[in-house]
Order: sequence, then C-alpha cells, then structure tokens
Amino acid sequence: GAVVSQHPSRVICKSGTSVKIECRSLDFQATTMFWYRQFPKKSLMLMATSNEGSKATYEQGVEKDKFLINHASLTLSTLTVTSAHPEDSSFYICSARFRTGVYGYTFGSGTRLTVV
Amino acid sequence: GENVEQHPSTLSVQEGDSAVIKCTYSDSASNYFPWYKQELGKGPQLIIDIRSNVGEKKDQRIAVTLNKTAKHFSLHITETQPEDSAVYFCAASPNAGGTSYGKLTFGQGTILTVHP
Repeated sequence: GAVVSQHPSRVICKSGTSVKIECRSLDFQATTMFWYRQFPKKSLMLMATSNEGSKATYEQGVEKDKFLINHASLTLSTLTVTSAHPEDSSFYICSARFRTGVYGYTFGSGTRLTVV
Repeated sequence: GENVEQHPSTLSVQEGDSAVIKCTYSDSASNYFPWYKQELGKGPQLIIDIRSNVGEKKDQRIAVTLNKTAKHFSLHITETQPEDSAVYFCAASPNAGGTSYGKLTFGQGTILTVHP
C-alpha cells in the first residue's frame, strides 16, 4: 500500500519551454505532498510542501514562479518547471505523507529532467 | 530548522561483513527517523524506520538504534550482500506541530559498496 506513481520518468526539453511532472497517489489520499530536487551524488533538497486545496509552501531560495505546484485533488499533485533553462536540469522526486495507523512517507520513482 | 549530519559519506565492505551508518540531528522535536535506500536513477525506498518511543528496531539483517538524549541514530546492516550496494539516506521529521511539521530533512547520504 501507499504507492505514489510519478511521471514522466525522463524528459528532455528545450530551453524556454515548460515541463509538467505528475505524482499520483494510487491507493490512498495524499493530503500533503512534498517535492524534492536532487543533484548528482547529492542529497534530496526539499523544494516545497503542497497541501490539497491550498497554495504550496516553498522553501527559502526556491522560485515560486519557476516551480509551479498544484495539488488540486487528494490523489494528484503536479510540478511545472516554467521557462526551463539548463541549470534546471536535475532529478525531481515527489513524496506523499500518509497515515495508516501511524504516519509514513512514500516516494515517487523520480523524474530526470534534461534541458537542452 | 532541523539539520541532519550523516557519516561516513562512503563505506566499502566485504560481502558478509557488517556496515554501520550514523546520523545526528539537531531538532529535539524530531520524533520520526526513517532510513532510505536509493539506487541509481530511482526514488528512495524505505528500508526501516524508528519512532522516538523506542530505542531499537530490527528487521532481519537491518537494525536501527536511536539515542534521543544524544540526538543520534544508526543503521546496522549485517551479513552484507552485493545487492546491498546503493546510496543510503537517513532522515528526521517532527510530526507534532511547529513550522517544520511533517517535513523530512535528509542526511547527506552514504555510498555503500559491498565487494563480493
């Protein structure tokens, strides 16, 4: 149980275009989702926290207008990288908090974004 | 906010040996401590977690210990196998309110290599 499906797994886009990454909770309602960014051989850095039906809370230094997060339903959260540039190339991972008696976190499989 | 330090950054062992990875945290409000295994190009997978009401938890070859007084927790893998080779991350989260409620803060990661 508590599975999050993340798509796409890989995407290549041209500079200046926008890319949308989706995360769906398959067997539970994800009231809270987290979006992380990971550079090669580095740890996961939290970008933002999204709660269903409300605006996302961004971590310090993360551009809200560049990384648009939408969490319109209890099973879907999206991250849109707008006007992408090569420096936005990274591994993006979503995570959802769930509770089945006790709380836990489940992660998506990640999206490798390459901006050319 | 929370700060998690993880050591060592790399660990190389022979098959069958034990591996120990240590983490310290700074926020006394943290009460949930998961460990994740991440393989190349994939999202983190939970391997074991511990909550602040226990000091030790074991699952077959994997165990985690927690010392809340000293604010440190450790991952122990016994009888290591080549398939244990991966990057391991510790994390900490306060799940009882406050501005960091529900957020996972990750350690820097440990690259574990198990030689046949």
